[in-house]
Amino acid sequence: QVQLVQSGAEVKKPGSSVKVSCKASGGTFSSYAINWVRQAPGQGLEWMGGILGMLRTPNYAQNFQGRVTITADEFMTTAHMELRSLRSEDTGVYFCVRSGGYHPRNNWLDPWGQGTLVTVSS
Amino acid sequence: DIVMTQTPLSLSVTPGQPASISCKSSQSLLHSDGKTYSYWDLQKPGQSPQLLIYEVSNRFSGVPERFSGSGSGTDFTLKISRVEAEDVGIYYCMQSVQLPITFGQGTRLEIK
Repeated sequence: QVQLVQSGAEVKKPGSSVKVSCKASGGTFSSYAINWVRQAPGQGLEWMGGILGMLRTPNYAQNFQGRVTITADEFMTTAHMELRSLRSEDTGVYFCVRSGGYHPRNNWLDPWGQGTLVTVSS
Repeated sequence: DIVMTQTPLSLSVTPGQPASISCKSSQSLLHSDGKTYSYWDLQKPGQSPQLLIYEVSNRFSGVPERFSGSGSGTDFTLKISRVEAEDVGIYYCMQSVQLPITFGQGTRLEIK
């Protein structure tokens, strides 16, 4: 059974970038999409984008378009999410989560990674 | 974007009593393939979210039978037949019929 293991907490300055990784433990996610979801402190869930399985084609939410890049390695064992031009409002927990199929659309989200806290502060 | 609106936003329930959460979407979640892409997730305190219900009414693997989902089109409901202490957390409805995937605001369930 695949588990998603994320990289550790980060503290960043405004204007800088952060790159969070998500590794599949116990297999790969080659036939599935991997998504990134943000949760600001005390807030709900916001889908940032995802990368399609097999084709490794990214899809981004409009709110993050131009600031986020989602990639995956050749063997689809590790996915990465890079967010640039960080501001204080980007502080939150970033989750990776697998879709139930190769595309984020028309599929459930499970399992979830443990989350990575990103703090943006001067 | 499809807006998902949950009610109530908080719920306090005595153990053994039922609970119900409503979710309304701004557009139909019925796809041309005949399936309806609505989901329910639970985020327990200090944990990542976990999938409870997929495609309106299907319990995900390992989800207790006391959880049930119903609805169609734009109106969906999650019911817990008899609430247990372990059910505390925030419940989110979600849609994936159209990108971006969107979530409801969340409903916080606490035990009386």
